Amino acid sequence: GQQVMQIPQYQHVQEGEDFTTYCNSSTTLSNIQWYKQRPGGHPVFLIQLVKSGEVKKQKRLTFQFGEAKKNSSLHITATQTTDVGTYFCVYNFNKFYFGSGTKLNVKP
Amino acid sequence: EAQVTQNPRYLITVTGKKLTVTCSQNMNHEYMSWYRQDPGLGLRQIYYSMNVEATDKGDVPEGYKVSRKEKRNFPLILESPSPNQTSLYFCASSLKEQGYTIYFGEGSWLTVV
Repeated sequence: GQQVMQIPQYQHVQEGEDFTTYCNSSTTLSNIQWYKQRPGGHPVFLIQLVKSGEVKKQKRLTFQFGEAKKNSSLHITATQTTDVGTYFCVYNFNKFYFGSGTKLNVKP
Repeated sequence: EAQVTQNPRYLITVTGKKLTVTCSQNMNHEYMSWYRQDPGLGLRQIYYSMNVEATDKGDVPEGYKVSRKEKRNFPLILESPSPNQTSLYFCASSLKEQGYTIYFGEGSWLTVV
């Protein structure tokens, strides 16, 4: 069935280091969304990617959708303590399929 | 302000005592859903609704019921709660014309003792 695998599960970085989380699917995705959930908070929409090879940027965040539309990544340049939280991808095909999330901890 | 509102936010209840978690959205979204979030298991969908009077099971529907009599409301009912339903619950809504961007409520922490 439809599945989105997300890695890594956890990432601890020093403030200023970069961070990347990856989502992979065995099937072609029509779209992929990314969300951020702060500790104790609720998931908040970051971005949606729909085109093959699409790259979108939001300040220090770069989102990519693979050429084959089977994988996606979120890259944060020069992490800050405000980036702490869990990032997860979501794919929509009749219903929503969630990646398991990557929990990012940033040490000041 | 566009939002999804769920209540209660925090609840401790006893095994077997029926409870309802309410959810309301003010964005006229046709799609609504409930999720539970548990450590190491991520977000899992309980039930979803494509529109009024249209509900369907998600991945973990056992022990839960829902109804969608009005577009804005989507209550989650636990007829006989058990300790394994202790979890963080999120209600969410989305709209096809917005690419199904998911708007989540702030969450309801439920403890069943």
